[in-house]
Amino acid sequence: AQKITQTQPGMFVQEKEAVTLDCTYDTSDPSYGLFWYKQPSSGEMIFLIYQGSYDQQNATEGRYSLNFQKARKSANLVISASQLGDSAMYFCAIRSQNFVFGPGTRLSVLP
Amino acid sequence: DSGVTQTPKHLITATGQRVTLRCSPRSGDLSVYWYQQSLDQGLQFLIHYYNGEERAKGNILERFSAQQFPDLHSELNLSSLELGDSALYFCASSGGTGVYEKLFFGSGTQLSVL
Repeated sequence: AQKITQTQPGMFVQEKEAVTLDCTYDTSDPSYGLFWYKQPSSGEMIFLIYQGSYDQQNATEGRYSLNFQKARKSANLVISASQLGDSAMYFCAIRSQNFVFGPGTRLSVLP
Repeated sequence: DSGVTQTPKHLITATGQRVTLRCSPRSGDLSVYWYQQSLDQGLQFLIHYYNGEERAKGNILERFSAQQFPDLHSELNLSSLELGDSALYFCASSGGTGVYEKLFFGSGTQLSVL
């Protein structure tokens, strides 16, 4: 079975600072994908970044990067230069047999 | 616009009733997933269909059922509704089942059971 753990229910960050959102996962499958999604207060689910289990390099997408530590089974999301518009729920997810989401972290960016 | 269409956007009904939520995946996508998101909660996986066949079931109640039709649209049927079924129901699609394939989400159906 697959499982995602996000241990930070809520996080605060000052505008323009960097923030790391934690994600650990559990799966017995050798091949899997790790995803991060953002859900603003408007409710839509927005894809941010993807990391494959066999990828050697950490994924980056603009201000988003994924700190992938396979041996530790962690896939932390790093947001650089936080903006007010980054305030949202952030979900980590794993795809192998199914597509399973974690409980999410609510990020609040302070002006 | 993700290309995934969910209808209706909002649904208000009473306990004991039955409702049907509809999802049209992105053009060409064969995989459809359904998720339930209760207030301030994560996304609970309900069910996955691929090209008309059920692939996996998650925490889906026996009162709930789903199907994917030949034209690939999907419906989620919720019956004998209870207050606790009030939630945001998402449909998401992807081209196939590869681990690299991200999900494209619809805007969701907000169900309120009174």
